[in-house]
Amino acid sequence: QKEVEQNSGPLSVPEGAIASLNCTYSDRGSQSFFWYRQYSGKSPELIMFIYSNGDKEDGRFTAQLNKASQYVSLLIRDSQPSDSATYLCAVVSGGYNKLIFGAGTRLAVHP
Amino acid sequence: EADIYQTPRYLVIGTGKKITLECSQTMGHDKMYWYQQDPGMELHLIHYSYGVNSTEKGDLSSESTVSRIRTEHFPLTLESARPSHTSQYLCASSFSGETQYFGPGTRLLVL
Repeated sequence: QKEVEQNSGPLSVPEGAIASLNCTYSDRGSQSFFWYRQYSGKSPELIMFIYSNGDKEDGRFTAQLNKASQYVSLLIRDSQPSDSATYLCAVVSGGYNKLIFGAGTRLAVHP
Repeated sequence: EADIYQTPRYLVIGTGKKITLECSQTMGHDKMYWYQQDPGMELHLIHYSYGVNSTEKGDLSSESTVSRIRTEHFPLTLESARPSHTSQYLCASSFSGETQYFGPGTRLLVL
């Protein structure tokens, strides 16, 4: 079992819809969770992080964390074609502040 | 906005050559990382450093070596490049906390 699992996609949504990206992790002791966006051929850029159970909103993005179920999700409201990218879930695991990345979910927003 | 730089951005080189990929950050971050990523594939941590004169190997075995003589500088060296080293190399840094910021990456092609 991978430490951080994501559906590889592609997840295809129409413009204006809500895109829902999910991530599960295996280390029950993980405390910090991150979402990165990576455009093709570019480096990952941080979208947001979440530490506490519940929802955290930042503009069109909402991160949701459920530590009991060991999953974290990212909702993108009013999806735009410019949101088309690979979204990487990352979890801090172990005692060395090492980020463990999932393989990423490819999102395609079509007009 | 993260200030982390990588040079060269693109490198085409012949088999057997020694290469050094440069990574510098101006944020005073104590932790620095090197990742390797093939097109469409996941990130793999190959080296990390928690401070000057501290380096560790990552999760993916790599023939490369790193050094950390100055806080801001974390170069990666391949003594003898091979076609199997063809990949994108991403440098990242963080400040004690866990949020990592990525440089633009170096695309390496070994002929």
